[in-house]
Amino acid sequence: EAEVAQSPRYKITEKSQAVAFWCDPISGHATLYWYRQILGQGPELLVQFQDESVVDDSQLPKDRFSAERLKGVDSTLKIQPAELGDSAMYLCASSLGHTTTLHFGNGTRLTVT
Amino acid sequence: GIQVEQSPPDLILQEGANSTLRCNFSDSVNNLQWFHQNPWGQLINLFYIPSGTKQNGRLSATTVATERYSLLYISSSQTTDSGVYFCAVEEGSRANSKLTFGKGITLSVRP
Repeated sequence: EAEVAQSPRYKITEKSQAVAFWCDPISGHATLYWYRQILGQGPELLVQFQDESVVDDSQLPKDRFSAERLKGVDSTLKIQPAELGDSAMYLCASSLGHTTTLHFGNGTRLTVT
Repeated sequence: GIQVEQSPPDLILQEGANSTLRCNFSDSVNNLQWFHQNPWGQLINLFYIPSGTKQNGRLSATTVATERYSLLYISSSQTTDSGVYFCAVEEGSRANSKLTFGKGITLSVRP
């Protein structure tokens, strides 16, 4: 079964450093999502792409976070500079369309020291 | 935005027991999904069920959209069912609204 690929699986970085996460969605999935999950809570949407266009980035802290999906396939989420409060699981998901089944990757667990 | 409440917050079962997990939401929805997050953090989609009833093996789900709730049934529970179960909903009244997750139900199945 096709899967959403994410890397790295774990990342430890010092505050004020830059960090980047990569996601490759299931082939043919036009919609790609980045979620952040703080321990003990449900995932919260950071940004949603439809093909290469941003559909929703209302919850993305744009002063430090950026996301791109240049060719409408894989995507990169960047944090610069990282802060202690950014420690969380960063999850990528994809779906065929906007209101169809969501498939998640394994996530990147970020620890900022 | 739409509110999602899941209950109970925690559930402990003996292997072989049955359970019902509930998800209440505050507005009409056009998208409702149930997920299982295993102890390693992997989120697995269980059901896409904005209305009606579906079954997949020992799991089944029912969404009564008019009464704004969904139920996830687990029968003959196994230790591998342990983890956190999330309900996620998307408002039906707003264009391009996002999927909002509940806080989850932590299930522990003991051998």
